[in-house]
Amino acid sequence: EAQVTQNPRYLITVTGKKLTVTCSQNMNHEYMSWYRQDPGLGLRQIYYSMNVEVTDKGDVPEGYKVSRKEKRNFPLILESPSPNQTSLYFCASSQRGKTEAFFGQGTRLTVV
Amino acid sequence: TQLLEQSPQFLSIQEGENLTVYCNSSSVFSSLQWYRQEPGEGPVLLVTVVTGGEVKKLKRLTFQFGDARKDSSLHITAAQPGDTGLYLCAGDNTGNQFYFGTGTSLTVIP
Repeated sequence: EAQVTQNPRYLITVTGKKLTVTCSQNMNHEYMSWYRQDPGLGLRQIYYSMNVEVTDKGDVPEGYKVSRKEKRNFPLILESPSPNQTSLYFCASSQRGKTEAFFGQGTRLTVV
Repeated sequence: TQLLEQSPQFLSIQEGENLTVYCNSSSVFSSLQWYRQEPGEGPVLLVTVVTGGEVKKLKRLTFQFGDARKDSSLHITAAQPGDTGLYLCAGDNTGNQFYFGTGTSLTVIP
């Protein structure tokens, strides 16, 4: 089954404690991206990757890092999380040049 | 930067009514997508429109892309409770970055 898998689904952490949210897709898609979703602001792109070892900043990259060492995986790293990073995060993938994006089920992160 | 503005933000209607959701921008997009998101799930693609003036139909849903490729609308005929969800438009300008609208939360009351 074609899917994008994120882990964990829920995470509560403390300020400053490094964390990683994993994302994996099984569709051999070149393009992957991370979004955060906040009430009244919609989905905002954090980082995206056009292919292995190629990553670029989206609209709200501050406080986040990503890596793309393999085609299927695109982890999101928060080196020193802060409360303003409390949000619902989505990973998505698509074929390069195609606009149909497949989304994971989301990770609800709370930073206290 | 919020490139895509959706209206209305919230909509609550009775089953059987018609409704239209709007997605507007001052930017030109090479394509525009509509997604529906249900609670606890990620957005799921409904349709992609590419050509200015294009109209696509998906059962009771009709999607239109503006002639200038800056805006779009989603019209639902005879809404059903199963249509309840968050409707998001998304624009693609270069093929690299995607911009999502603020969303329209639709509730259809049986």
